[in-house]
Amino acid sequence: QKEVEQNSGPLSVPEGAIASLNCTYSDRVSQSFFWYRQYSGKSPELIMSIYSNGDKEDGRFTAQLNKASQYVSLLIRDSQPSDSATYLCAVNFQGGFKTIFGAGTRLFVKA
Amino acid sequence: EAEVAQSPRYKITEKSQAVAFWCDPISGHATLYWYRQILGQGPELLVQFQDESVVDDSQLPKDRFSAERLKGVDSTLKIQPAELGDSAMYLCASSFFSGQGKETQYFGPGTRLLVL
Repeated sequence: QKEVEQNSGPLSVPEGAIASLNCTYSDRVSQSFFWYRQYSGKSPELIMSIYSNGDKEDGRFTAQLNKASQYVSLLIRDSQPSDSATYLCAVNFQGGFKTIFGAGTRLFVKA
Repeated sequence: EAEVAQSPRYKITEKSQAVAFWCDPISGHATLYWYRQILGQGPELLVQFQDESVVDDSQLPKDRFSAERLKGVDSTLKIQPAELGDSAMYLCASSFFSGQGKETQYFGPGTRLLVL
């Protein structure tokens, strides 16, 4: 069983809409949660990190964490065509010695 | 802004040949990772170093892959012999731990390997 699960998509949203990306993880000791953006042919770029339950906002991005439900999400407000990319969820287990990445969700923002 | 450096950016080789990738982490980052990413999948950890010591190499195919970080700074990943299935993006990342034990990984640009 995979430890970090994401819907592979593609998720298609119109320009200006809210894109909602979801990630679930297995029941292990987990401390840190990350969202990376990866453009085709490029390396992952860190866009958000979240460590405690609740919401964390950074510009158009909001990360939401619910440890009881083992669920972390990323909301992108006012989606732009430049947001079209694959979004990787990563979970750090066991206090920093193991980070597992999901397979990623492809997002398309239509102009 | 400090970045993780990798070279080469692209490598084409024939199967059974040897290839080597180099990574220079962000200065001061004690932890260094090598990942392999196959198209359409997330990065898969190959090896993790803490300074010059290997912390995790459980997913490294040790019959053909080797990694070293002799002085605890830059690192080399080698494949010998290369196989067709090794075609992938090889990513290096480095990280630091904050005072509360929180870790953030930063990736280099990657090396795209094509084995013919």
